[in-house]
Amino acid sequence: EAQVTQNPRYLITVTGKKLTVTCSQNMNHEYMSWYRQDPGLGLRQIYYSMNVEVTDKGDVPEGYKVSRKEKRNFPLILESPSPNQTSLYFCASSLRIDLGTDTQYFGPGTRLTVL
Amino acid sequence: GENVEQHPSTLSVQEGDSAVIKCTYSDSASNYFPWYKQELGKRPQLIIDIRSNVGEKKDQRIAVTLNKTAKHFSLHITETQPEDSAVYFCAASFNDYKLSFGAGTTVTVRA
Repeated sequence: EAQVTQNPRYLITVTGKKLTVTCSQNMNHEYMSWYRQDPGLGLRQIYYSMNVEVTDKGDVPEGYKVSRKEKRNFPLILESPSPNQTSLYFCASSLRIDLGTDTQYFGPGTRLTVL
Repeated sequence: GENVEQHPSTLSVQEGDSAVIKCTYSDSASNYFPWYKQELGKRPQLIIDIRSNVGEKKDQRIAVTLNKTAKHFSLHITETQPEDSAVYFCAASFNDYKLSFGAGTTVTVRA
């Protein structure tokens, strides 16, 4: 089944403890992206990747890192999480790098709480 | 960067009536405008999109219109049904890679 998966789905952690949220897609998609969703702010793009080893900043990249060593995986890394990173995170992917050429599929979301 | 404003933030309509959500964008170079629907507890899903070289696009009960001169675009849902109740997000992309979203509209369809 074609899908985007994220792990973990729920995470409660403490300030400063490094964490990684994994994202994987099995559709051979070139483009992958991370978003955070906060009430009243909609979705905001954190980072995106157009291919292996090609990543770029979205609108809110501060405090986050990403890597794209394999086409199927695009982990989101929080080196030193802070309470303002408490949010619902979505990974997304699409077949081609040009948004609008193909549908962008979202993962199920990861709800992160930083105490 | 691109700034997308979305109105209204909440919308309540009687079943069978129409719903209209409006968005404005700031970057005149934006050329792709998707709309996403997010049901409670679920992930966003693309419902319709439009490119800047098209003024209107329809898909059954939903339609999107784009006014490039005024830099605004709208989602129209006709003959609303209870299953249309959800949060709707507009978005705009100016370089085909970055996507900026509006804050969302919570639509409630009253039976």
